[in-house]
Amino acid sequence: QQQVKQSPQSLIVQKGGISIINCAYENTAFDYFPWYQQFPGKGPALLIAIRPDVSEKKEGRFTISFNKSAKQFSLHIMDSQPGDSATYFCAAILRGAQKLVFGQGTRLTINP
Amino acid sequence: GAVVSQHPSWVICKSGTSVKIECRSLDFQATTMFWYRQFPKQSLMLMATSNEGSKATYEQGVEKDKFLINHASLTLSTLTVTSAHPEDSSFYICSANSGGTDTQYFGPGTRLTVL
Repeated sequence: QQQVKQSPQSLIVQKGGISIINCAYENTAFDYFPWYQQFPGKGPALLIAIRPDVSEKKEGRFTISFNKSAKQFSLHIMDSQPGDSATYFCAAILRGAQKLVFGQGTRLTINP
Repeated sequence: GAVVSQHPSWVICKSGTSVKIECRSLDFQATTMFWYRQFPKQSLMLMATSNEGSKATYEQGVEKDKFLINHASLTLSTLTVTSAHPEDSSFYICSANSGGTDTQYFGPGTRLTVL
């Protein structure tokens, strides 16, 4: 119940295309959903985050779409660039708790 | 803002020795810090949560006597891997948040290699 399931495990997109990564959860007590970007040998960096009372949040080329009824959320990267090649993690935090529950990660490769 | 640093960035040690890793919040006070380990091509695994001035809370399966965590100030937490063995070789990452927010900021990680 405290899992966050992420797909796909790996993704290859052509430069300029849209990268889409999906996550699903079961526990409706999750109330904060961040996305992190991690480059090899580095710590994760916060990209964008959303709360369940919002259906979409956009920051630059990054957009989170949130479907509360389906308990799913996704990250869209528009105009994907080779510099976006990294591993992306979705995560969730339970209301009133502090711990992040991470998805399994998606290794994104943008081909030039 | 919201920068978290870790030191050292990498360390190599002999089996049986202890290694200390520092995690600092540089521009904010971190009421809570977290320690994770990450194996190659895997997700982050939470090891423990530490609140300033309190004992750390360890996740199930994490040996508290092996992974000693100290959170002595609002800007510094340390992880000491005691009597390290090759299976402890991993990427250790800390994160921190300030009171009243859900956002966690991560350090750059420390690569530990135990020979």
